[in-house]
Amino acid sequence: NAGVTQTPKFRVLKTGQSMTLLCAQDMNHEYMYWYRQDPGMGLRLIHYSVGEGTTAKGEVPDGYNVSRLKKQNFLLGLESAAPSQTSVYFCASVTNREGADTEAFFGQGTRLTVV
Amino acid sequence: KNEVEQSPQNLTAQEGEFITINCSYSVGISALHWLQQHPGGGIVSLFMLSSGKKKHGRLIATINIQEKHSSLHITASHPRDSAVYICAVNREGQFYFGTGTSLTVIP
Repeated sequence: NAGVTQTPKFRVLKTGQSMTLLCAQDMNHEYMYWYRQDPGMGLRLIHYSVGEGTTAKGEVPDGYNVSRLKKQNFLLGLESAAPSQTSVYFCASVTNREGADTEAFFGQGTRLTVV
Repeated sequence: KNEVEQSPQNLTAQEGEFITINCSYSVGISALHWLQQHPGGGIVSLFMLSSGKKKHGRLIATINIQEKHSSLHITASHPRDSAVYICAVNREGQFYFGTGTSLTVIP
């Protein structure tokens, strides 16, 4: 997907370790989202941001923190990883909050395993 | 109850068949998106709809706002169409996702 880059693509953590996932977009979008994808479930919103310096909780925020210090970057942190956080994480960047011309761009995903 | 329901969950088709995937939602929305995800891969946006019908190549997406229903059609299906297709609705700045339809097209 042009314009949204997630790093890393894969990571294995031990329980209790911490890590940060980076989402970078070069489309000057205000709205950015972090989702997790688990088998048999739709993507679930962890946290989101409506602009530089702002963040808000989504559906499943516990165990995660985020920061949006620069407009182009949205960071997702795991302070103390747990096996329940084993998942595939996707970042999305959106043109508008809502409306007929809203377009969503997704990163390639980060496959995280916590052992 | 998920606000977005897709059917079927799994679909196997022979190459060349016409395929339909359905999406129903229960809330008012500003737009509906169809997304494609290949195994182990990222998510790509196929369509964004707020009314009517859109066509890209062999893919056609329709939406009926009054019935809260959308369909994704694939004509002359090909093995490279094998993927998970996800319906997502945009409501008040938030996205709500279906669980996806896993499509396998057999040569």
